[in-house]
Amino acid sequence: DTAVSQTPKYLVTQMGNDKSIKCEQNLGHDTMYWYKQDSKKFLKIMFSYNNKELIINETVPNRFSPKSPDKAHLNLHINSLELGDSAVYFCASSQGRSWETQYFGPGTRLLVL
Amino acid sequence: KNEVEQSPQNLTAQEGEFITINCSYSVGISALHWLQQHPGGGIVSLFMLSSGKKKHGRLIATINIQEKHSSLHITASHPRDSAVYICAVFASGSRLTFGEGTQLTVNP
Repeated sequence: DTAVSQTPKYLVTQMGNDKSIKCEQNLGHDTMYWYKQDSKKFLKIMFSYNNKELIINETVPNRFSPKSPDKAHLNLHINSLELGDSAVYFCASSQGRSWETQYFGPGTRLLVL
Repeated sequence: KNEVEQSPQNLTAQEGEFITINCSYSVGISALHWLQQHPGGGIVSLFMLSSGKKKHGRLIATINIQEKHSSLHITASHPRDSAVYICAVFASGSRLTFGEGTQLTVNP
């Protein structure tokens, strides 16, 4: 049974489109995260939610909007996609705040053409 | 300069060798995390440390808070250990900063 799942696994889309990536965790964790891994494999945190409340919001264009309908889900919506948004996006979760062990989803590979 | 520096960037070893990957950071932290990213892209949490030393199987992680340094050791390395190893620190305010990763290749 997958602990942290993401859909879709691959996403190829045109510039200017709007797309969403979904994340679900069945670990009963309180905190969820979105990370972006660029072409150089460098990971950066984008957002973190604790019990549906935003607690980390790094410098991310406001075209990116996270939505947490409940504490088991954290979706990422991206408006007006740009070429530079091409990356792998990882969702993760932890019990408690970010210094607890985090469990990662498999990643969503986004390619913007 | 990144707040988290890892060395080496690339490491090639022969099966059975003892491996050390280093992580130095320049900010005050509440904890440090070692992650492993498999060739297929999946990320696995290995250790979360705030002091001392932790061991899990052939993996050992140590941290020296005063020196702002952590090491990840792999004993009796195996080709299946080939992966990218990433150090991440939890600074004040729950900020999370990653190192650039160390690509480890273990040859049979």
